[in-house]
Amino acid sequence: DAKTTQPTSMDCAEGRAANLPCNHSTISGNEYVYWYRQIHSQGPQYIIHGLKNNETNEMASLIITEDRKSSTLILPHATLRDTAVYYCIVREFSGNTPLVFGKGTRLSVIA
Amino acid sequence: DTAVSQTPKYLVTQMGNDKSIKCEQNLGHDTMYWYKQDSKKFLKIMFSYNNKELIINETVPNRFSPKSPDKAHLNLHINSLELGDSAVYFCASSRDREQPQHFGDGTRLSIL
Repeated sequence: DAKTTQPTSMDCAEGRAANLPCNHSTISGNEYVYWYRQIHSQGPQYIIHGLKNNETNEMASLIITEDRKSSTLILPHATLRDTAVYYCIVREFSGNTPLVFGKGTRLSVIA
Repeated sequence: DTAVSQTPKYLVTQMGNDKSIKCEQNLGHDTMYWYKQDSKKFLKIMFSYNNKELIINETVPNRFSPKSPDKAHLNLHINSLELGDSAVYFCASSRDREQPQHFGDGTRLSIL
């Protein structure tokens, strides 16, 4: 079972920042937070991951609270092509544990 | 150039048949995976191979048999297809077991 809780859906105006929350209150010390997204009819796409520090790459920023029990994925300037289901996943970095996808958040970017 | 490619993209077949789905990655990755996404859109891991060796085998009927002839390929063979096997099957790869995974665009399997 997924160890994360996400809102079912969210809307965001095009050009605005999209902030997608995720709760992972039972996260353990050796588990990372990963974000993937799935655009309609495509395979999931890796976005970003982090342990406890905030992370930023060309796609998004990941803000993890100090107690690590929740995080927020930020898409700084959402476009229509960012409309997708976004999955927040916690996983050990050991590699022997699989990615467990939950229901995710369906983000709709509106013109 | 497609990083993770699956063939066929669509597969329509009758119950009881045997079929294979092929997956190839040109990223030089060591680890490959098969996932199943059912009609309710839940995405679940089926198998994982690292350097051609099976490392993850979730609870999957033994009608499903993955085969890895080399590090770049992980094929999925399914015997005696059932209605419940209708789903989208995704192949993925990663540089090693810890790194992020790259997914193919899926094979849509429909059982008549």
